[in-house]
Amino acid sequence: LAKTTQPISMDSYEGQEVNITCSHNNIATNDYITWYQQFPSQGPRFIIQGYKTKVTNEVASLFIPADRKSSTLSLPRVSLSDTAVYYCLVGDRYQKVTFGTGTKLQVIP
Amino acid sequence: EPEVTQTPSHQVTQMGQEVILRCVPISNHLYFYWYRQILGQKVEFLVSFYNNEISEKSEIFDDQFSVERPDGSNFTLKIRSTKLEDSAMYFCASKEGQSYGYTFGSGTRLTVV
Repeated sequence: LAKTTQPISMDSYEGQEVNITCSHNNIATNDYITWYQQFPSQGPRFIIQGYKTKVTNEVASLFIPADRKSSTLSLPRVSLSDTAVYYCLVGDRYQKVTFGTGTKLQVIP
Repeated sequence: EPEVTQTPSHQVTQMGQEVILRCVPISNHLYFYWYRQILGQKVEFLVSFYNNEISEKSEIFDDQFSVERPDGSNFTLKIRSTKLEDSAMYFCASKEGQSYGYTFGSGTRLTVV
């Protein structure tokens, strides 16, 4: 499994766009990049998954450069309810997910 | 939106007692998992289950742990003789196919006293 590095914490004001970057220098050819969100005392929730370029859904966008050694989760116009821990996971989609420490996002009013 | 349901939401048990944590995965999902999260720590993989057998387990999943899918809907985690260090949130997860994202339940908070 490729090792990932992401900031431990981030603060953002309500209404701003938040970008959380994850480094994964040793990503393998078969690896996908997946992001999960976890609220306190709840299970992680799948947000988005991508392989290359850009993926967008109703919740977020995922930007992956050509070398795939990093990725950026973009949350448009965050609200207080987006305060959570965000996990970047890299691996073959057939493997079990392995969580790191994640990025704790605090949205400030 | 389909959900993974876990019961109970909170269980307190005495050290040495057996506990069974219950999960109802999403009905058309084929792959089932248990994870746990000790307060303030990472979410840790325990075991994966497919086709009525364990497909992978972690070092945490020792002989004190077992899983079962007794019928077509429930997926249980049993801890035979609980220890204080088993206190954690236990999350059940399922997925439809190998390449799909996981759906996690809301967890069972297990407190061993």
